[in-house]
Amino acid sequence: NAGVTQTPKFQVLKTGQSMTLQCAQDMNHNSMYWYRQDPGMGLRLIYYSASEGTTDKGEVPNGYNVSRLNKREFSLRLESAAPSQTSVYFCASSEVGGGGYTFGSGTRLTVV
Amino acid sequence: ILNVEQSPQSLHVQEGDSTNFTCSFPSSNFYALHWYRWETAKSPEALFVMTLNGDEKKKGRISATLNTKEGYSYLYIKGSQPEDSATYLCAPRMDSSYKLIFGSGTRLLVRP
Repeated sequence: NAGVTQTPKFQVLKTGQSMTLQCAQDMNHNSMYWYRQDPGMGLRLIYYSASEGTTDKGEVPNGYNVSRLNKREFSLRLESAAPSQTSVYFCASSEVGGGGYTFGSGTRLTVV
Repeated sequence: ILNVEQSPQSLHVQEGDSTNFTCSFPSSNFYALHWYRWETAKSPEALFVMTLNGDEKKKGRISATLNTKEGYSYLYIKGSQPEDSATYLCAPRMDSSYKLIFGSGTRLLVRP
């Protein structure tokens, strides 16, 4: 039972490069989320998708775009990476009715 | 921006001690309160989801209470063990979208 799978686990980018973080869940969850975690701060919501076909901005959406490709997959794209986007990124999903989140293992991104 | 406060920020206890942490959140537009346990180098794992004022949940030696009228929740650990060492996150859900706003967490270290 894989749960939530994120790829890659680690990535180093140069300023201005682009990349896509992939997330897939196999629990038939409706809602999916992208958070970033920075030292001394809590998890901050970047974007979320309440259901397939919908996406909404969270607390810190600037510099990011998302795609809810199907019910299983929710990707996060950095079009032009900046050092301020150095962070650990977590994808999560939750079932209908607002149960507890299941988190992926995280992607550690460094932008130099 | 929603204000979710957790106290204390960190806590060191001896094995066998009982301990508790506090989560404070706005009492208006409340839908649910989540607690997560986050071990170093792992992903957050859901402990409890509580929705009703006066709710009490228990999982082994860990329990939680909820007061939605005054906007706080307590997490209790009875007879702390070294394996309880982790960061404990609370996250209220304040609208119908299922998205959570996370506090910065309480970091617990249990000394053998």
